[in-house]
Amino acid sequence: NAGVTQTPKFQVLKTGQSMTLQCAQDMNHEYMSWYRQDPGMGLRLIHYSVGAGITDQGEVPNGYNVSRSTTEDFPLRLLSAAPSQTSVYFCASRMTGGPYGYTFGSGTRLTVV
Amino acid sequence: GDSVTQMEGPVTLSEEAFLTINCTYTATGYPSLFWYVQYPGEGLQLLLKATKADDKGSNKGFEATYRKETTSFHLEKGSVQVSDSAVYFCALTSSYDKVIFGPGTSLSVIP
Repeated sequence: NAGVTQTPKFQVLKTGQSMTLQCAQDMNHEYMSWYRQDPGMGLRLIHYSVGAGITDQGEVPNGYNVSRSTTEDFPLRLLSAAPSQTSVYFCASRMTGGPYGYTFGSGTRLTVV
Repeated sequence: GDSVTQMEGPVTLSEEAFLTINCTYTATGYPSLFWYVQYPGEGLQLLLKATKADDKGSNKGFEATYRKETTSFHLEKGSVQVSDSAVYFCALTSSYDKVIFGPGTSLSVIP
């Protein structure tokens, strides 16, 4: 009963490097989202997906790419890391079409130096 | 657009005190309302929800009632414990199936 699994838990990148944050869920949820959490800024939506093959931008998409080739996986790619992308990243999933709450992963703490 | 407003934190209470965290919302249609809790170093967890007017959600001693007339969903607990120290987020699911989070309210409970 894993829920939402995020890897890695911690990562340090140099400016300009790229990397992929992994997210997998085993609950057959259609809806998946990526958020970033910064002090004093609450949760901000980066990208989301309503099903395999369908993705869309949230409020802060610049510098990030996503894809959704399967229902289970929703990786987040940082194309060229910048210090402004230092944050805690959360992946979340839920069912659609009703009053369903999110299940969140435990987060990835990313530092860009 | 849809939005969620929460009381400013941080909130500091003594153990066994009564807790209220205010939440009000703006939304078209009939949103579903949620409270999430985030313990230090962890992701958010769904605490409780309500899906229609006058519904009361409850879990772990926490309660919140969906008040459509005042567009509110205030979180309450009769007697807080040190283990309730966390950040609490109010949220709604809009008629477009989008989730809107409030900014979060930090709660510290001291022995």
